[in-house]
Amino acid sequence: GIQVEQSPPDLILQEGANSTLRCNFSDSVNNLQWFHQNPWGQLINLFYIPSGTKQNGRLSATTVATERYSLLYISSSQTTDSGVYFCAVEKVGNQFYFGTGTSLTVIP
Amino acid sequence: KAGVTQTPRYLIKTRGQQVTLSCSPISGHRSVSWYQQTPGQGLQFLFEYFSETQRNKGNFPGRFSGRQFSNSRSEMNVSTLELGDSALYLCASSKAESEAFFGQGTRLTVV
Repeated sequence: GIQVEQSPPDLILQEGANSTLRCNFSDSVNNLQWFHQNPWGQLINLFYIPSGTKQNGRLSATTVATERYSLLYISSSQTTDSGVYFCAVEKVGNQFYFGTGTSLTVIP
Repeated sequence: KAGVTQTPRYLIKTRGQQVTLSCSPISGHRSVSWYQQTPGQGLQFLFEYFSETQRNKGNFPGRFSGRQFSNSRSEMNVSTLELGDSALYLCASSKAESEAFFGQGTRLTVV
């Protein structure tokens, strides 16, 4: 299967700070998505980004498919950004491989 | 539009029993995939169905099975439950090879 590595595993930020989360993957993929897992376990879609750059409010993401990595940027972090962020990649047949996640804590 | 619906949300079962979980995808989505999340193993792919056919299967024992109906709703079944099957089970729906959307999950506890 495809190996997906996320870094850092844990991140503690002061409210208002910026952060960058990284996702490296071991093979070419057709799909890459970023998720935020809420306290009840649901995976909330942040970005569907197999390549290129997208922005949504304070969040943005960039995927460089040729170099097999993706970055998630969070600017002006808020306490509600706390939680676990997952990167997932798919090569064929809607079979996703997930990273181990980045646990983000934003302190007021 | 309605999202992916999983039922039940919580379930407690005894070792040796079997369990059936349900997933109703977003209208128009024909692909449903299932994942198991545990603290030790993270998120792992179980299987994926498209138009009632299983296209992919992860590395899980035969006690884990699934099916998809003509309306794209899917069920997964776990027989002879073990303590290690305690997990959050998530399903995702999508159109073919496009953005996937996840349900709220079913939290299964085996005692």
